Amino acid sequence: EDQVTQSPEALRLQEGESSSLNCSYTVSGLRGLFWYRQDPGKGPEFLFTLYSAGEEKEKERLKATLTKKESFLHITAPKPEDSATYLCAVQARETSGSRLTFGEGTQLTVNP
Amino acid sequence: DARVTQTPRHKVTEMGQEVTMRCQPILGHNTVFWYRQTMMQGLELLAYFRNRAPLDDSGMPKDRFSAEMPDATLATLKIQPSEPRDSAVYFCASGLVLGGRNQPQHFGDGTRLSIL
Repeated sequence: EDQVTQSPEALRLQEGESSSLNCSYTVSGLRGLFWYRQDPGKGPEFLFTLYSAGEEKEKERLKATLTKKESFLHITAPKPEDSATYLCAVQARETSGSRLTFGEGTQLTVNP
Repeated sequence: DARVTQTPRHKVTEMGQEVTMRCQPILGHNTVFWYRQTMMQGLELLAYFRNRAPLDDSGMPKDRFSAEMPDATLATLKIQPSEPRDSAVYFCASGLVLGGRNQPQHFGDGTRLSIL
């Protein structure tokens, strides 16, 4: 069974204080790992897809990296508007169709 | 930007009533997903469709839940009869599957359902 574990559950940062969120996964052959951002009262918003170990993607203050067992979402010099819940999900190669298995998320708060 | 549209955004009803949630996927997407999100369970996949055909509904309580795609622009999730434990936020997502690398799923803003 595919499993995704995110840590920490919650993270409080001061504006400008860089940090990383972790996503550990167990999957029978990874087709893709996805990062989403979710704001209160909204649906998850797509950020990145990573397909193979060693791959990195960047967008503004966010950088996602991937190894064979985990992914990190690095946040550099965060701003209050980066406050949200960040979700990680995996898609298995053997999965029929394109179902995703989500982690529980990391709730990030950035204080000004 | 193209978006997934869900209606209603909020629904409060009494136990035993029928609830129907609707979703308009992004035009051109061939796969539609229904998820449920609660504090306890996080995001759970209920069912999904490819080219309007159901592919997997194993996450759905079949005795009370049903999902359909009457046409390519409309997906529905129905609960009958509803129970208090069905209270959650229900999300619809759509995506494009093209063989090898699947495109990411794009989510609507959900239907917040409260069953009294």
